[in-house]
Amino acid sequence: EAQVTQNPRYLITVTGKKLTVTCSQNMNHEYMSWYRQDPGLGLRQIYYSMNVEVTDKGDVPEGYKVSRKEKRNFPLILESPSPNQTSLYFCASSSLLAGGGLTQYFGPGTRLLVL
Amino acid sequence: AQSVAQPEDQVNVAEGNPLTVKCTYSVSGNPYLFWYVQYPNRGLQFLLKYITGDNLVKGSYGFEAEFNKSQTSFHLKKPSALVSDSALYFCAVRPETTDKLIFGTGTRLQVFP
Repeated sequence: EAQVTQNPRYLITVTGKKLTVTCSQNMNHEYMSWYRQDPGLGLRQIYYSMNVEVTDKGDVPEGYKVSRKEKRNFPLILESPSPNQTSLYFCASSSLLAGGGLTQYFGPGTRLLVL
Repeated sequence: AQSVAQPEDQVNVAEGNPLTVKCTYSVSGNPYLFWYVQYPNRGLQFLLKYITGDNLVKGSYGFEAEFNKSQTSFHLKKPSALVSDSALYFCAVRPETTDKLIFGTGTRLQVFP
């Protein structure tokens, strides 16, 4: 089954304790992205990657890091989480084939609470 | 600044009635337009997209959307709403010159029996 998986699905942590949220896709997509969803703000892009070893900042990259060492994986790293990073996080992937328009397929989400 | 607006936080409609969820955008060039749906405790699911061609686009679950270039709108429609259509709907735009999607703030659709 074609899918995007994220782990963990739920995470409670404390301020300053480094954490990683993993994302993996099995569709051989070149493009991967991280979003955060907050009430009243919709989805905002954190980072995206056009291919292996190619990453770029989205609209709200502060406090986050990413890496793209393999095509299928795109982990999101919070080096020193703060309470304002409490949010619902989504990973997404997309093919870059012409005509697709960058249609994105989303993972199930990771709900993060930073105390 | 490039943006997407969903002017209604919530839309209420009776089952069997037609529904419309509004979306307008402000981007330069020819955008790619999308609608996604989010059910409770789930990720976003792709509904439909406009890339080029016919202004009326048909998608999953009987939904359709009409691209109106002069009004810069891409409203989501369905002729007959179902209770199971109740969910959060997001409009998204990809400006022609970028590799990013800009999402609206979402509209909650509530269909009453």
